[in-house]
Amino acid sequence: EVQLLESGGGLVQPGGSLRLSCAASGFTFSSYAMSWVRQAPGKGLEWVSGISGGGGSTSYADSVKGRFTISRDNSKYTLYLQMNSLRAEDTAVYYCAKGVSNWGRSYFDFWGQGTLVTVSS
Amino acid sequence: DIQMTQSPSSLSASVGDRVTITCRASQGISNYLAWYQQKPGKVPKLLIYAASTLQSGVPSRVSGSGSGTDFTLTISSLQPEDVATYYCQKYNSAPWTFGQGTKVEIK
Repeated sequence: EVQLLESGGGLVQPGGSLRLSCAASGFTFSSYAMSWVRQAPGKGLEWVSGISGGGGSTSYADSVKGRFTISRDNSKYTLYLQMNSLRAEDTAVYYCAKGVSNWGRSYFDFWGQGTLVTVSS
Repeated sequence: DIQMTQSPSSLSASVGDRVTITCRASQGISNYLAWYQQKPGKVPKLLIYAASTLQSGVPSRVSGSGSGTDFTLTISSLQPEDVATYYCQKYNSAPWTFGQGTKVEIK
């Protein structure tokens, strides 16, 4: 059974940093692209960042480019999102999502339960 | 970047009604289009991929169609358990953009 468990969310001040983790199980982690998708309170889904199965390819939404860094440790079956220079508009539930291929044309077949990030002074 | 626009943003229909949601891409994306359902307080769930292929376990009253820039999600007979927000997503290439969502309610 595929399981994705996010952690690392919390309250952080504007300009601060936070690192999210997503622990995966139930599938061969290194074979699949992974993404982070966020949802601000009462708003829709926004894709944030994605990484290929091997970690060699990454992509970011314009809204986070230069501030967020996605990475993965395939030996630990864990996906990460390092978030720097956080802004109030980054407040959201952050989901990790599993792709259906190694990279490229990959929709999301499994989602974690999400972790809430609140950016506020 | 390609933009995804859904319409309507919300709808209210009676149980048993046929419901159609439209998703339009600002450029052609072939059939690289997925639909997700998010029930209130829940995690998004994959319904359809490749524009028209039903994910395992999704009821047959749900269907998808389209190619290029125009896509539709249809629920042939709306049920109370279909109350949710529905999102389209393009996945031909990064960024894997979502539509803004369509909220479906029971009248």
